[in-house]
Amino acid sequence: AQSVTQPDIHITVSEGASLELRCNYSYGATPYLFWYVQSPGQGLQLLLKYFSGDTLVQGIKGFEAEFKRSQSSFNLRKPSVHWSDAAEYFCAVAGPGGYNKLIFGAGTRLAVHP
Amino acid sequence: DGGITQSPKYLFRKEGQNVTLSCEQNLNHDAMYWYRQDPGQGLRLIYYSQIVNDFQKGDIAEGYSVSREKKESFPLTVTSAQKNPTAFYLCASSIGAGPSGELFFGEGSRLTVL
Repeated sequence: AQSVTQPDIHITVSEGASLELRCNYSYGATPYLFWYVQSPGQGLQLLLKYFSGDTLVQGIKGFEAEFKRSQSSFNLRKPSVHWSDAAEYFCAVAGPGGYNKLIFGAGTRLAVHP
Repeated sequence: DGGITQSPKYLFRKEGQNVTLSCEQNLNHDAMYWYRQDPGQGLRLIYYSQIVNDFQKGDIAEGYSVSREKKESFPLTVTSAQKNPTAFYLCASSIGAGPSGELFFGEGSRLTVL
């Protein structure tokens, strides 16, 4: 069955430091992968997505992610974190029902120290 | 501005009562979704609808019901058969089931059963 694992439940970084959030997926075919961000008490916003082509994808707010098929990973990165990046981040894969039936990971909560 | 409106934002319910959560979108999207979010579990799909007057069960449909009589509206009823209804409920929409992959989310409704 398709699944998404985000190994880190909580991550704390200092403002200005680099960030990498891990995501591993299980999917039998070429995956369609997404990263979403959720501020407290809010809905989710799409950061970036990967369908095909270049394995390094750029998103909004300075985020990027790299698809590595050999590692079944789609890690999210940002070179310099801002205090406003504190939020919960969800990795998702399109499930067998179609592109928009997403299977989400459990999320990683990011805290940013000043 | 276009978007998705969920109401109410907070809702309290006594055990044994049905409750309906509203979701309205003015994005002219064909597809709409309901997700349930619990701490540490990510998002799980309850129901989705690709077109008016049609909807399908997601992964956790038991104890829930929906209707899609209008393109812009997709209300969710949490029935008394739902054993553990306390959760954060998110409504989303997308242009269709094509490869755009982007779900647009509302700000959520938090349901608490007393």
